[in-house]
Parts: sequence; C-alpha cells; structure tokens
Amino acid sequence: DIQMTQSPSSLSASVGDRVTITCRASQSISTYLSWYQHKPGKAPKLLIYAVSSLQSGVPSRFSGSGSGTDFTLTISSLQPEDFATYYCQQSYSTPRTFGQGTRLEIK
Amino acid sequence: EVQLVESGGGVVRPGGSLRLSCAASGFTFDDYGMSWVRQVPGKGLEWVAGMNWNGGSTGYADSVKGRFTISRDNAKNSLFLQMNSLRAEDTALYHCARRGGSYQPLDYWGQGTLVTVSS
Repeated sequence: DIQMTQSPSSLSASVGDRVTITCRASQSISTYLSWYQHKPGKAPKLLIYAVSSLQSGVPSRFSGSGSGTDFTLTISSLQPEDFATYYCQQSYSTPRTFGQGTRLEIK
Repeated sequence: EVQLVESGGGVVRPGGSLRLSCAASGFTFDDYGMSWVRQVPGKGLEWVAGMNWNGGSTGYADSVKGRFTISRDNAKNSLFLQMNSLRAEDTALYHCARRGGSYQPLDYWGQGTLVTVSS
C-alpha cells in the first residue's frame, strides 16, 4: 500500500498569510494527487485534483504543485473561511490512501 | 445538482452487521465510479472501498477486506456497503463519494451516516 505523509500535522496562521502544506508519497504516484478541505460537520470538499488542477468554484488563492512523490498545497492569502483540516489523497492505486491531515488554525 | 444521501447507519453490537445505502441524484450514476470513505470521530479520513461504474472492479482497505462488500444498483442510482463482523474500531461517520474524471478524485460527497459499534 502507498503511504501518504503530510506535514505539518497542525499549523497556526493569520488572515492574509501564505501557507504551504506538504504531502509525500511512499512511492511514485505520477500526478494522481488530490487535495480536500474538511470543516467540522460538513462533507469534505475537493479543492485540487491531478496535482494542480483547480476544482470548479474553488478560489484561485489555492494552488498545488509537485510530481512523483512530493507535493504541496499553497494558500496564497489566508481568508477566515480557510481555517479547516486539509487532506491529500492518492488515486494511483488501491487502496486510495489519504494523508493524516493538516489542521489549519487561527493564530 | 449532484446529491449523495447516505442512510442505514445506527448502533450495532460487535460482530454484528449493517448495510449502508447511498442514493445518488443529479448526474448519470452509471457513468461514474463510487467510493466509501469514513472518519472516526476526532481522527482523519480513511478510504474504505471503491467500485467502478459497472461493479466489475472493486477495491478495499486492508482494515475491512473480507468483512465489507461494496455494491451498486445502477437501475436505482444506489451504492451500498455491506458491513459484517463489525468491530469497535469501525465506529465512524461513513461518506459515499463520486469518483470524477480521469484522475478519479472524489468530487462530490454526501454528509455521511454514523455507525456506532458498541456492546
């Protein structure tokens, strides 16, 4: 199974900050990497797929990059509604594993 | 509008069984693969099982293999998860999700149905 490791596990930041979350796969997953945002009591929301493609309706302050085993999610200027938990997921092979999550908190 | 609505959760004793359902609407159901994902309260997301558009290809997490079975009824726009030999560690909120596009991200999710395994 492919292991997905995110860092950091938690992060404190302020509105307006630039934030980067990293995700590392235990083996190459090509570009089969997605990012999700999850808020308590809500369904997870797809932000980015295929490493860097922005899902329809997602603000352009979200961006993704990387290839092979190392990937990043960047939020260029944090907004109040961005405080949530973020997950990466590989869809290269089954089981389709998630990272452990990065909790983004208000400083 | 794409909608996914889960049902069938509840409280069950260890060793028991439960069948979850997911009713899909707003899209052509048999054009898409589907998945189940769970979240243990206070923990992260765990992919549980997935199936392609016609049920010809399925996959499971190691933690549920041999105990859970994913299935679908395209005529009824429905996805199912049969859960047998349930354990306390299966307690979670179970979401169904649609697999979209070539890279198969989970592009639409339901709100989930809660399964509690307790004696």
